[in-house]
Amino acid sequence: NAGVTQTPKFRVLKTGQSMTLLCAQDMNHEYMYWYRQDPGMGLRLIHYSVGEGTTAKGEVPDGYNVSRLKKQNFLLGLESAAPSQTSVYFCAARQGMPNQPQHFGDGTRLSIL
Amino acid sequence: AQTVTQSQPEMSVQEAETVTLSCTYDTSESDYYLFWYKQPPSRQMILVIRQEAYKQQNATENRFSVNFQKAAKSFSLKISDSQLGDAAMYFCAYRSAGRDDKIIFGKGTRLHILP
Repeated sequence: NAGVTQTPKFRVLKTGQSMTLLCAQDMNHEYMYWYRQDPGMGLRLIHYSVGEGTTAKGEVPDGYNVSRLKKQNFLLGLESAAPSQTSVYFCAARQGMPNQPQHFGDGTRLSIL
Repeated sequence: AQTVTQSQPEMSVQEAETVTLSCTYDTSESDYYLFWYKQPPSRQMILVIRQEAYKQQNATENRFSVNFQKAAKSFSLKISDSQLGDAAMYFCAYRSAGRDDKIIFGKGTRLHILP
C-alpha cells in the first residue's frame, strides 16, 4: 500500500538550475498539496490542487510552479533554484470529504548550493 | 487570516507520565477542522487525532485525547502513559470547512520522553 510517493528523496542543486519534484498517489484522492518545512517554521503551503487540471496558490508560492495533468500526479517545479529554496518538501493528498485528514509522503530533502 | 500558535517549542515528560501540548488558533469561522500530527525522526507526518468544530465531544484515540475549547479557540493534546515512541515533533493544524482548502500548521512542539 504505497499511499503517497515522492521522487526523489534527496537532491542537491546549484543556484539557477531547474528541477521537478514528483508526487504520486494511488488512493484516487481529489486534493493534493505541496508544502515546505523549514526549521522553526512548521509546514507552509506552496500550492495545492482540488482536482485534475486545477491548481491554486498557497502561502508561499513564489519561485515555484505546479501541474496536475493526471489525477494521481502532482508536480512541483523550480525553474531557477535559489539557496532560499533549500528545504524539506512534503506532498500530501486527501479525499474530498472535508473532515478527512491529509496523507503525507516521506518528504524530499532539497539543498541549493 | 487564520493563525495557529503552539507556544511550547519543546517539552519533556517522564516515561509513563501524562503530558499536555497546547495549541491556540485564531479564526472568524464557525465551522472548521483541527488536527494533531506527529513527526518522528523518520520525518513522516502521521495523523494523531482530529476534531470537528461542530462536535462538542472531545476526540479520543487510545492514549491520545484532546481538550477542545471552541470559545477559547484552544485545542490541546493530552498524551497519557507516555512511551519512548511518542518522542517526536507534534504539529497542530487548522482547516476551514469552506471552499478555501488551505491548511494552517503551527510551528510545532518537540516532545522528549525521559526514560
